[in-house]
Amino acid sequence: QQPVQSPQAVILREGEDAVINCSSSKALYSVHWYRQKHGEAPVFLMILLKGGEQKGHDKISASFNEKKQQSSLYLTASQLSYSGTYFCGTETGYGQNFVFGPGTRLSVLP
Amino acid sequence: GAVVSQHPSWVICKSGTSVKIECRSLDFQATTMFWYRQFPKQSLMLMATSNEGSKATYEQGVEKDKFLINHASLTLSTLTVTSAHPEDSSFYICSASGQGENTGELFFGEGSRLTVL
Repeated sequence: QQPVQSPQAVILREGEDAVINCSSSKALYSVHWYRQKHGEAPVFLMILLKGGEQKGHDKISASFNEKKQQSSLYLTASQLSYSGTYFCGTETGYGQNFVFGPGTRLSVLP
Repeated sequence: GAVVSQHPSWVICKSGTSVKIECRSLDFQATTMFWYRQFPKQSLMLMATSNEGSKATYEQGVEKDKFLINHASLTLSTLTVTSAHPEDSSFYICSASGQGENTGELFFGEGSRLTVL
């Protein structure tokens, strides 16, 4: 079953922050985050494994609450290059029930 | 919504044999398809991009003679793992980029788990 992402779309001004949420009805083994530019393959951002991980690089970070089967992606001080569609992907085990969310379209305006 | 189907979902083969994985877009035409593989506790790694009617573009480090990709029609791309070895055991997933009203959207297959004995 596909995870739910929210919001569906968001428009920001450069420098603003955004949070994208991903939730599943199933117990999760991992959550993946990707960003896709129009017409290009998704680019991997990070993977979080069960255990309550929180990761980040540069100004993009994410958390994973396995008890709630939720993950959030945090984008701080957004840049124009952050524009794209963000997908979360979830697994219930390695290679098991791998499903991507519908995506969240993020537009960063100057 | 648009559907991408992969077949087979699971395959076990002997070392040295070749395995073909199919990726079909069921209700839309896919000009571009992507193939990924995933190792345990790692995310999807893009292997190649295939465009209908032309040669696939492989990512650095991916052997094109090992992983043959054919995108002969707008609804079908195939990945053939030739002379498979145990280290090729992995989870392979495809995604397809749509046309028309689905232009730019990306739809993922269910994935195929390959085990090479």
